[in-house]
Formats: sequence, C-alpha cells, structure tokens
Amino acid sequence: QVQLQQWGAGLLRPSETLSLTCAVSGASFSGYYWNWIRQPPGKGLEWIGAVNPTGGTNYNPSLKSRVTISIDTSNNQFSLKLTSMTAADTAVYFCARGKVVQGVLYFDPWGQGTLVTVSS
Amino acid sequence: QSVLTQPPSVSAAPGQRVTISCSGSTSNIGNHFVSWYQQLPGTAPKLLIYENNKRPSGIPDRFSGSKSGTSATLGITGLQTGDEADYYCGTWDSSLSVVVFGGGTKLTVL
Repeated sequence: QVQLQQWGAGLLRPSETLSLTCAVSGASFSGYYWNWIRQPPGKGLEWIGAVNPTGGTNYNPSLKSRVTISIDTSNNQFSLKLTSMTAADTAVYFCARGKVVQGVLYFDPWGQGTLVTVSS
Repeated sequence: QSVLTQPPSVSAAPGQRVTISCSGSTSNIGNHFVSWYQQLPGTAPKLLIYENNKRPSGIPDRFSGSKSGTSATLGITGLQTGDEADYYCGTWDSSLSVVVFGGGTKLTVL
C-alpha cells in the first residue's frame, strides 16, 4: 500500500528556514498532488500547499511569500521549505497525497507527522 | 477562527449514533465536495469520507457523510470506544483559493 515517510529538523531558531522531506513508497506520483499540512499544538489543520508531478505548485496565500514545495520524482520524494520561521509556525507538519476531484483536494494517506518547534 | 464551523465536542454512549455538523458558505461547501478525517490521539488524520458521501476502502459503513446546501454532516452509528477521536471536515474555498478545514470536533464515547 501507499506509505509516506517524512523527516527533517524538529527544533529551529527564529528566522531560520524549515526543511522537511517526504518519501513516497508503493505509489506513482502521476495523477496526484503532493501536499504539506500543519497543525499547531491543540489546534486544527492548515493546508500549506501542494506540488504536482511536473513541479507546478499551489500555495496557501497566507504563507505564499515564505513557502517552496518541490518534487523529486527520480527519488520518489517531495519537500517543503518555509523561511523566516517564528514561534507562530510551531506545529506538527504532515505530508499527504492529494486527489483532485472537480477542483477539490482530499488527502489520503498522510505521513506520520513531524513536530517542529521554533524557540530561541 | 476556521472558515468551516464545527461543534467543539459531541458525546454519546457506546452503540448509539452521533452526527457532527460542518457549516460553511456558497464559496466552499455550497459549491464543492466535502471530505472528513478522523484523527486518533497522537496520530495523523485518516480519510473517512470523500466527495461528500463516499467511503475509502477499509472504512466501515458505520461512517456516512451527507451534504445539503452549505452544510455537511458526518454520521457514525454503533459507536465504539475506539471511535474517540477528533473529526475534521475539509473542502476548497473558491473565494480564498485555499483548502479549508473545520476547527475539529472531539468525539467522546461515554
């Protein structure tokens, strides 16, 4: 079955750049969007953005100036970079496969999540 | 403040039925498919319902989804203690050009 395994640094200083990678196994990249979603401690879900197999991206407007999502189909991976991190970016970050139906994304499956803490 | 509104919590006894509502507007639920996710404590969300009322393979038919106008509803019958989790609705918002989620509903099985 499809599995997403993610990794990256869990503790950052303010102003540093978050870098996370998600490896995909058991599935082709074709026909799907590859997403990052985050969840602040004790709060709800926030979609960060997505990348398609040809490298096209779609970002949450509230984060667009700081976000880059890229894809490496040769290594079955996609990545997230978020610059100028602050304490407000502290969250669990999830990668997820997205399917588009009539312009709407739904997410299945999800990676295990990475807790990212921003603190001086 | 989430774009989609869910009750913070619901509760019911084992074996009973519960519904969770998700309210939005014409820019999101009113014109787009809704999906639902279950997040067990300390784990990643899992897809329960997509395209308003379809269940992925492996999701029991105790879980159902429906949509009417600008609201959607998740129904769970035959409640089990293992259903205790946070539940989120999600869809696309064409005014904001972003995927939006509800604030989540915590289900307690008494």
